[in-house]
Formats: sequence, C-alpha cells, structure tokens
Amino acid sequence: EVQLVESGGGLVQPGDSLRLSCAASGFTISSYWMGWVRQAPGKGLEWVANIKQDGSEKYYADSVKGRFTISRDNAKKSLYLQMSSLRAEDTAVYYCARVIATTGWYFDLWGRGTLVTVSS
Amino acid sequence: DIQMTQSPSSLSASVGDRVAITCRASQNIISYLNWYQQKPGEAPKLLIYSASSLQSGVPSRFSGSGSRTDFTLTISSLQPEDFATYYCQQSYTSTWTFGQGTKVEIK
Repeated sequence: EVQLVESGGGLVQPGDSLRLSCAASGFTISSYWMGWVRQAPGKGLEWVANIKQDGSEKYYADSVKGRFTISRDNAKKSLYLQMSSLRAEDTAVYYCARVIATTGWYFDLWGRGTLVTVSS
Repeated sequence: DIQMTQSPSSLSASVGDRVAITCRASQNIISYLNWYQQKPGEAPKLLIYSASSLQSGVPSRFSGSGSRTDFTLTISSLQPEDFATYYCQQSYTSTWTFGQGTKVEIK
C-alpha cells in the first residue's frame, strides 16, 4: 500500500528540540520531492518545508527558517524534520507529504500526521 | 511571499446546490494553484492541481478554473460527503502558501 506514516510527536517545553520522522512505503521515495505541512489546533494549513530528491535543495517557511531542518534518508525510505528552539506557536499536527513536480507542483499523498505540543 | 486569500471563509449550502469558492493570489502565479479538501480529523486530500486538472479518483462534480491571480473551485451539485474545509495553495514560488480555508457547512 502506498502510504506515509509520521512519528516522533509529543509534548515538549519551549526551547526544546524534537525530531519528526516520516516512513514511506509502496513507492520509491528517492524519485520524489517531499515536504512537511502543519496545522495548529483549529487553524488552517501552513506549508513548512520541501526537499529535493537528493537533498540538494531545501526550502522553508519564514516562520521556521533557522530553527527547523528538513532532511531525508532514501535508503531508509524516510523523511525527517529536526525542530529546535520550539515555541508555543509551533504546536500543531505535522503532516508529511509527497510532492508531484511533473504536471505542476503539488502534494498528492499525505500522512495522517503527528501532534507536537509545545507547553511548559 | 505570495498571499492567498479565499472567499468566503465559510458558507452554508444544501445538498444539490452549486457551490463556488474563490482564491486570489497577491501576484501572478500563472496556473500553479491547487485545491485540497479536508474533513475533521483527517489529512488533506488533493482535488485539483494546476488550476484545472482533476486528480485521479476525484468526482467530476469538482472543477477548477482561473489563471494569474484569480481562481475558482466549483462543486456542481453538493453531496453530503462534500461538507468539509477547502484550501487553495500556490506553488509558483519555491516557498509555498495556503489560503486560509473555506468551510462548507450544511444549511
């Protein structure tokens, strides 16, 4: 089955670090750009970051630039989001998503998300 | 950054109604505009990509139109399973942005 499964979320304190993981199955992750999108409780979707197939290009939203790092390990079929200096406003469900970059640029496959709560 | 503005923010409609949601970009994004549907507790689902292309498996009652700065998602005959929140998203620049969402509720 083609799917993405996120893990690594939890409750952390402001200023802490956390690493999210996304496991891909049913497709060749190395053939796709990948990305992260988040959604604060009761709010809309916010794009976080994208990464190219070989990791050579990475793009970030201004709200996370300098604090979050997107990375991947194609051999492990995994995508990661390293988050540091976490703030209360980073509290959200974090979704991993596959990017289609041929017929336009868009997310065609999403995971179910993992909840990150930043609170003291 | 490109700002995406959806209207309305919410609407009430009945089964069988024709519904239109608009999305305006703060600058020309050509046709790099996508639409997603999200139901409570679920991940978003791609409906329309590149402004007007229907994603495989999505019912034909969904359609997208527009270019440059003004785009529309139309549901030709609203079905019970279509009550959800809809988001537009631009991918013209390397940093992407979503609209704020439009919640479609039952009248």
